[in-house]
Amino acid sequence: AQSVTQLDSHVSVSEGTPVLLRCNYSSSYSPSLFWYVQHPNKGLQLLLKYTSAATLVKGINGFEAEFKKSETSFHLTKPSAHMSDAAEYFCVVNPAGDAGNMLTFGGGTRLMVKP
Amino acid sequence: AAGVIQSPRHLIKEKRETATLKCYPIPRHDTVYWYQQGPGQDPQFLISFYEKMQSDKGSIPDRFSAQQFSDYHSELNMSSLELGDSALYFCASSLGAGAGANVLTFGAGSRLTVL
Repeated sequence: AQSVTQLDSHVSVSEGTPVLLRCNYSSSYSPSLFWYVQHPNKGLQLLLKYTSAATLVKGINGFEAEFKKSETSFHLTKPSAHMSDAAEYFCVVNPAGDAGNMLTFGGGTRLMVKP
Repeated sequence: AAGVIQSPRHLIKEKRETATLKCYPIPRHDTVYWYQQGPGQDPQFLISFYEKMQSDKGSIPDRFSAQQFSDYHSELNMSSLELGDSALYFCASSLGAGAGANVLTFGAGSRLTVL
């Protein structure tokens, strides 16, 4: 079985300061991991994905995430927050093996960016 | 680039009525997935189809049914609607299914409100 825990339901940062959204996972297999962003009344947009290649993954809009197997973590970071980054962020795990694409979503972290 | 198209974007129904949501995947994608996101909740997997056959089943109520047609579009049929069915319903598509599939691309969602 797999699960995803996003450690913070809300994160508030000032514009121009670093962003850290934390995610821990558990999986019986070597998982694929994703971060999706959801802006208000919008669909889910893929930010980045980890699929057992490089452990540091660069995504869109300046976001990146590092896969740390020893810590079972996949935290999302950005050096400098922008007002347009305010949204809900989901850490998602997809188990390896012939399990289909039944993604398991974390509970989400709402990022607020203050001017 | 073409994305996943969902219709309608908004739908209001009364209890015990029926509703049908449609999903048009990205061209050449052969797999579609349905997710339900309740208010303040993370998306939950409902069902998926690969090459017009059901491939995986999640927490889809018996009152709901879905199918994928020959042109790969999919419809989610919901009957005897309950207040708790009010949610944002996402469709996603991918090329292939299982662990080797490409990343899922999500549509903007259909918001169902049951009064």
